[in-house]
Amino acid sequence: AQKVTQAQTEISVVEKEDVTLDCVYETRDTTYYLFWYKQPPSGELVFLIRRNSFDEQNEISGRYSWNFQKSTSSFNFTITASQVVDSAVYFCALSEAEGNYQLIWGAGTKLIIKP
Amino acid sequence: GAVVSQHPSRVICKSGTSVKIECRSLDFQATTMFWYRQFPKQSLMLMATSNEGSKATYEQGVEKDKFLINHASLTLSTLTVTSAHPEDSSFYICSVRGGLISYNEQFFGPGTRLTVL
Repeated sequence: AQKVTQAQTEISVVEKEDVTLDCVYETRDTTYYLFWYKQPPSGELVFLIRRNSFDEQNEISGRYSWNFQKSTSSFNFTITASQVVDSAVYFCALSEAEGNYQLIWGAGTKLIIKP
Repeated sequence: GAVVSQHPSRVICKSGTSVKIECRSLDFQATTMFWYRQFPKQSLMLMATSNEGSKATYEQGVEKDKFLINHASLTLSTLTVTSAHPEDSSFYICSVRGGLISYNEQFFGPGTRLTVL
C-alpha cells in the first residue's frame, strides 16, 4: 500500500534560520511522482514541486531545496533563511503513475516562523 | 498550469438545507476531477473522483447519496451536500487533471469553506 509520512506535526523556528521538513514515502511502484504543496492560512494550496521517481537530482529554487533519496524513500524539503511569509502548513504527496494519478497525502507539517 | 475556480468561496447554511459547490476549470479541459474534504488541522481526504461522462467513484465511507457529484462537462463539476448537518462543516477543495502535458498533475481550486449551523 502507498503511504506518506510527515512525522513532524509542527516546527517553530526564528526568522532567518534554516529548516528542513521531512517526508518519507512507501510504494511498491517503480514509477511514481512526489509533490510538495504549501497551504497558507487562506487555505489555497500552492504547488511547490513535482518530482518523478526516475529523477533523483536534487533541486533548488531560490531559498527552497529538495533532497530526493530513493534509497531511504525520502523527499525532504529545506527552506534556507526562513521568512515569516513561509509560515504555513506544508504537505508532501505521492501519486501513482497510472489511472487517475490519485494523490496520497501526508498529514502535513505546520511551520511557524517567528520574527 | 490550469486555473481552477470554486464558487462560492464561503457558505453558511442552516442544518437540513442543501448546498451546491461549483468547480470550474477555466482554461483547461479536465478529463478527471477530484473532490476533497479537509477538517481543521488535518490533511486532505479524497471524497470522490469523477471522469467526464461517467459516474463519480466515491471513496470508502463517503455517502454518495449525501454528496452528489455531477461532472457535467470538461470544465465543470458540482458537489451538492444534501441535508447538510453541522458535522459536514469543512473545507471542500476540488482539483482537475487532464491534457497531454499535465496528465500527471492535479490543479487545485481555492476551496470552499462550508459552515452548517
